[in-house]
Amino acid sequence: NAGVTQTPKFRILKIGQSMTLQCTQDMNHNYMYWYRQDPGMGLKLIYYSVGAGITDKGEVPNGYNVSRSTTEDFPLRLELAAPSQTSVYFCASILSGASYEQYFGPGTRLTVT
Amino acid sequence: GQNIDQPTEMTATEGAIVQINCTYQTSGFNGLFWYQQHAGEAPTFLSYNVLDGLEEKGRFSSFLSRSKGYSYLLLKELQMKDSASYLCAVRDLAAAGNKLTFGGGTRVLVKP
Repeated sequence: NAGVTQTPKFRILKIGQSMTLQCTQDMNHNYMYWYRQDPGMGLKLIYYSVGAGITDKGEVPNGYNVSRSTTEDFPLRLELAAPSQTSVYFCASILSGASYEQYFGPGTRLTVT
Repeated sequence: GQNIDQPTEMTATEGAIVQINCTYQTSGFNGLFWYQQHAGEAPTFLSYNVLDGLEEKGRFSSFLSRSKGYSYLLLKELQMKDSASYLCAVRDLAAAGNKLTFGGGTRVLVKP
């Protein structure tokens, strides 16, 4: 199993550009999450999904969108990138609501200039 | 909402013991988690407490007191590779989607 994979690893965007951060898991997990982590800080939840076709906002959803068309994939879309979105983005997954260990992808380091 | 507090940074000597405290406030507690995160890497799961008491796992132990809204992570026989950030996270009973709220993390520096 590859676990949770994310692409790209690094990206530099100009203000106003858009991009999609990819996340895929091969563990057949139902629940998936997107977090951002600013330097020296903890993780903030952006969006989450409890299954294909079902998504909901987390703590900091503004400026982002998600979709979940399959169990495996959970892409995060940034529209009109702003410097405040400079951060490290982590995708995570967990089998179900009764599970307790979240598995994290390696992260995407995004800089908006 | 939830409020989670943990110290920003701690320094300890190789071979020693370090205790990382975490206090939380939540309307409906449903589990406390500790994750380890090395610099530039993803968090990895360390422990889960939902009942009061101590859970031991090798050199790492985690303690929970629900009445005090308090947990600690104890790292024994410190090794250089234990230098990392340690994230405390809480799951709320009312939170849909098995969501976690994370504290800011405690950076532990192990010195020779």
